[in-house]
Amino acid sequence: GAGVSQSPSNKVTEKGKDVELRCDPISGHTALYWYRQSLGQGLEFLIYFQGNSAPDKSGLPSDRFSAERTGGSVSTLTIQRTQQEDSAVYLCASSPGGGLWTQYFGPGTRLLVL
Amino acid sequence: SQQGEEDPQALSIQEGENATMNCSYKTSINNLQWYRQNSGRGLVHLILIRSNEREKHSGRLRVTLDTSKKSSSLLITASRAADTASYFCATDEGGSNYKLTFGKGTLLTVNP
Repeated sequence: GAGVSQSPSNKVTEKGKDVELRCDPISGHTALYWYRQSLGQGLEFLIYFQGNSAPDKSGLPSDRFSAERTGGSVSTLTIQRTQQEDSAVYLCASSPGGGLWTQYFGPGTRLLVL
Repeated sequence: SQQGEEDPQALSIQEGENATMNCSYKTSINNLQWYRQNSGRGLVHLILIRSNEREKHSGRLRVTLDTSKKSSSLLITASRAADTASYFCATDEGGSNYKLTFGKGTLLTVNP
């Protein structure tokens, strides 16, 4: 079956521009996560959605970062007024929820801010 | 502070040898997971071990968990060049049932 997909695969932008990153989770998965991975580093938790509950936004590094999940499925991570330090790979993952928290990852979006 | 710190940071071995990677964590956990990442892209779940388990096997993978030492190890036996990847452990923070904290990973290189 289809896995988690993310688009675009790569994004190059200029400092100060806004970017939108998209995640399509596995169908039926109620939980969705966004992570950021800087070069040679581990994954940094950004945000978590579970069903219709209020998202856990505790990992968002600044108010320039926001995320939505429409209809309990597709999610968009938006970074406003991008900075060079935002350059990283942004990974999305989904899980079936309900305490089953093995996470299934998408291939990521590699963001480069010039 | 970072949960789930792996060591070594990098490991280079020959095909056929065994590879052992370690992970230490700081707070109590319910579960610990190991993931693999190729070429800085998406992670693939390898194995999950619960806090009441001490050892678990999956194919050529063997995971141990010592909750008294707050540590886990991942052993890959009879390594192959295709095992070359970064390996991460992930733990739940203080018993969270959804939030995983990842370490910085071990980069394993298996030379043919």
